[in-house]
Amino acid sequence: GAVVSQHPSRVICKSGTSVKIECRSLDFQATTMFWYRQFPKKSLMLMATSNEGSKATYEQGVEKDKFLINHASLTLSTLTVTSAHPEDSSFYICSARDRLFYEQYFGPGTRLTVT
Amino acid sequence: AQSVTQPDIHITVSEGASLELRCNYSYGATPYLFWYVQSPGQGLQLLLKYFSGDTLVQGIKGFEAEFKRSQSSFNLRKPSVHWSDAAEYFCAVGAGEENNDMRFGAGTRLTVKP
Repeated sequence: GAVVSQHPSRVICKSGTSVKIECRSLDFQATTMFWYRQFPKKSLMLMATSNEGSKATYEQGVEKDKFLINHASLTLSTLTVTSAHPEDSSFYICSARDRLFYEQYFGPGTRLTVT
Repeated sequence: AQSVTQPDIHITVSEGASLELRCNYSYGATPYLFWYVQSPGQGLQLLLKYFSGDTLVQGIKGFEAEFKRSQSSFNLRKPSVHWSDAAEYFCAVGAGEENNDMRFGAGTRLTVKP
């Protein structure tokens, strides 16, 4: 089946630093990838939609300069949290949509803790 | 825009008992409906989905869901719950054929009593 990986699975960083999270589709090509944020015991909130080779589309209220998204290839999208602050601590989940079938496959998530 | 409501925040059932998790959606056209399960600290696993056709859909792990347009519902059911089913369950609705804009419900946490 379709597999999406995320790296790292957990990361702790200091306030003010930047951290990059990778999302890879391992056995299929994904023209579109999605980034979600999940607060403790809450649902997933869509942050942005990333299309290969073009700029990401951000949801209202999401700072594009803070959450940089790059979708450089059909199998890789990255989310960089710049100048991280403790309030950015969260569980970040990516998903990738198969270019042939309109279904999203989710990664295992990345737990970000900013100290 | 589409939206999803999961009325039950937390449900507790005994192992072996039947289960029904409720999901109501709001969308003007035919929705694309999904149920996902999430174990603590993990990503989402797709249980089943409905795009069109038979309104009763079968999923993995013995789950099924029924699309009822008249009630705008897509409830998830399982006849006999196992302790390993304890997790968070999310209903989601996508819009349009490209399913770009997926919206999730708030989730229902399932506890299974021995």
